[in-house]
Amino acid sequence: QKEVEQDPGPLSVPEGAIVSLNCTYSNSAFQYFMWYRQYSRKGPELLMYTYSSGNKEDGRFTAQVDKSSKYISLFIRDSQPSDSATYLCAMSAGGGYQKVTFGTGTKLQVIP
Amino acid sequence: GAGVSQSPSNKVTEKGKDVELRCDPISGHTALYWYRQSLGQGLEFLIYFQGNSAPDKSGLPSDRFSAERTGGSVSTLTIQRTQQEDSAVYLCASSFGDRKNIQYFGAGTRLSVL
Repeated sequence: QKEVEQDPGPLSVPEGAIVSLNCTYSNSAFQYFMWYRQYSRKGPELLMYTYSSGNKEDGRFTAQVDKSSKYISLFIRDSQPSDSATYLCAMSAGGGYQKVTFGTGTKLQVIP
Repeated sequence: GAGVSQSPSNKVTEKGKDVELRCDPISGHTALYWYRQSLGQGLEFLIYFQGNSAPDKSGLPSDRFSAERTGGSVSTLTIQRTQQEDSAVYLCASSFGDRKNIQYFGAGTRLSVL
């Protein structure tokens, strides 16, 4: 079993929809949770960074962490065609050097 | 440059040849990481550099893989005697200061071994 599980999709939604992307994990030591967006043939770019449980909002994006369930989510409101990309969750046990473990990514397509 | 730069962007090689991949991190970033991304496999950690030393090289898959970093800046990842299973995108990332889990990625080198 992988430490981090993420549904690969693809997920297709109409423009303007609310998108929910999720990851589950098994390592209870994880405290830092990240979401990266990766466009085709590009490197991942950091979207959201959260520590421990709770919600964090940034524009149309909301990251949610439920450590009791070992479940994290990324919500995208008013989705746009430009949001079409692969979204990777990532997590680590510490903020200093602790290996970052990535999910396999969910491919999202927002249809105009 | 402003971001992490990797070269070449694409590399096609024959099985058994050696290849060298280059990463130029963001100026001032002391930590550097190499990852491998294969279809459906996510990002696989290869090696971590702090300055010129590599305190964690636990992800290197075999002794055909090696990496070095010089001047606390540019890093090269060398794959000797390439095999078809080495075909993947090799990504480099760098980070600044103590926030080592905030990593900035290059666009990667797409390696194809024929």
